[in-house]
This record gives sequence, C-alpha cells and structure tokens, in this order.
Amino acid sequence: NAGVTQTPKFQVLKTGQSMTLQCAQDMNHEYMSWYRQDPGMGLRLIHYSVGAGITDQGEVPNGYNVSRSTTEDFPLRLLSAAPSQTSVYFCASTIGQLSTDTQYFGPGTRLTVL
Amino acid sequence: AQSVAQPEDQVNVAEGNPLTVKCTYSVSGNPYLFWYVQYPNRGLQFLLKYITGDNLVKGSYGFEAEFNKSQTSFHLKKPSALVSDSALYFCAVRGSTGGYQKVTFGIGTKLQVIP
Repeated sequence: NAGVTQTPKFQVLKTGQSMTLQCAQDMNHEYMSWYRQDPGMGLRLIHYSVGAGITDQGEVPNGYNVSRSTTEDFPLRLLSAAPSQTSVYFCASTIGQLSTDTQYFGPGTRLTVL
Repeated sequence: AQSVAQPEDQVNVAEGNPLTVKCTYSVSGNPYLFWYVQYPNRGLQFLLKYITGDNLVKGSYGFEAEFNKSQTSFHLKKPSALVSDSALYFCAVRGSTGGYQKVTFGIGTKLQVIP
C-alpha cells in the first residue's frame, strides 16, 4: 500500500491564484481530513469527510473548498490564494468513525503564497 | 471544547538519559489520547494511544505514555533516548461522547537528543 499520498510537495502561488492540493489513499478508509500546520499553532482542521459525497467544515475552513467524489480522493481547493494561507498542508485518513481509530498522514504540501 | 496543552516548546536530553514530553488535556467524557511524531519534512506518524485499561501504554520505538486521569495528563516517556528520537512530538485528544469526534492537537514539542 502507498498509504496516503499528496501532490505537489511544494507550491508557490501569487495572491489571487487558485489551485488544488491532491490527496489520495489506497487503504479504503472512510474518513479523510485536511489540516494546516503553522509554527506555534500545531495542526488545525480545515475540512473533513466521513465518506464519499459527505464533507464538513473544521475549525479554519474559510478560503478552502473540498469535495469527495470517491473513497480514495479528497482534493483541497484554494479559491483565491492569500499570504495567510502560506502553510504546510497535511491530508489524513482514518479507517472508520470510532474515536479510537488512528489517523494516517500524508507527507504534506508546503505552500507559499506571495 | 476540548483542548491539549504541551507546555514545553523544546525538550533537550542527553543520549542515553530518560526523556519525558508533557501533555495535559481537557475533554468531555472519557478521553482518547494519542501521540504522534513528525520527523523533518515528513508527515505525522502514530506512536501510541490510550483508549481504556492499563494506564501505561507502550508504543513504537520504545516509547510509552502514562495516563493520569486525576491530573488529566498523558506524558510521553522513554527510558533511554537516542539521537534518532530527535523530532517534533504531538499529543492529541478525541472525546468519546457521541458522533464523529474531531481530533484536537497540541502545538507540538521539539525533542532534541544531544550526543
């Protein structure tokens, strides 16, 4: 299994540009999440999905959109990039809905918005 | 609202010495507690978790953590530190009351093991 994969690894955008961060998992996990990691703030949840066709907002959803058309893929879209969105983005998946389930993380995408 | 506190930004320890990385939490209901490790330029990797039962949980790479309900703590420990343990460590909590519970992460503690 490849686990959780993310592309690209690095990206530089100009303010106002849009882009999509890709995330895929091959473990048939129901639950997927997007986090951003900023110094001194840990990981903050952006959006999550409890299954194909179902998504919901996390604690910092503004400026981001998600969709979940398949179990495997969970792309994150930046609609109009802003410097405040400069961060490292991690995708994670969990096998099910139990609170005891472990999360599996992708390697991350380092995004810089100029 | 649930929360996690990791009071130390950085912990320095000499190789071969025991290490402790501290974590306290606040959550409604019974807590489900996790430790993850992040090596440079990598994603987070699961180390161990506490669900129920024995307060001392053993995990990967020789790490263990002690759950203390009265002190609402879940400190990560290792008897003998290795230089390769140097990384960023995150404590996380999930509540147990109803529905899909989102995970709350601490801000992370950088562990530096000195040769």
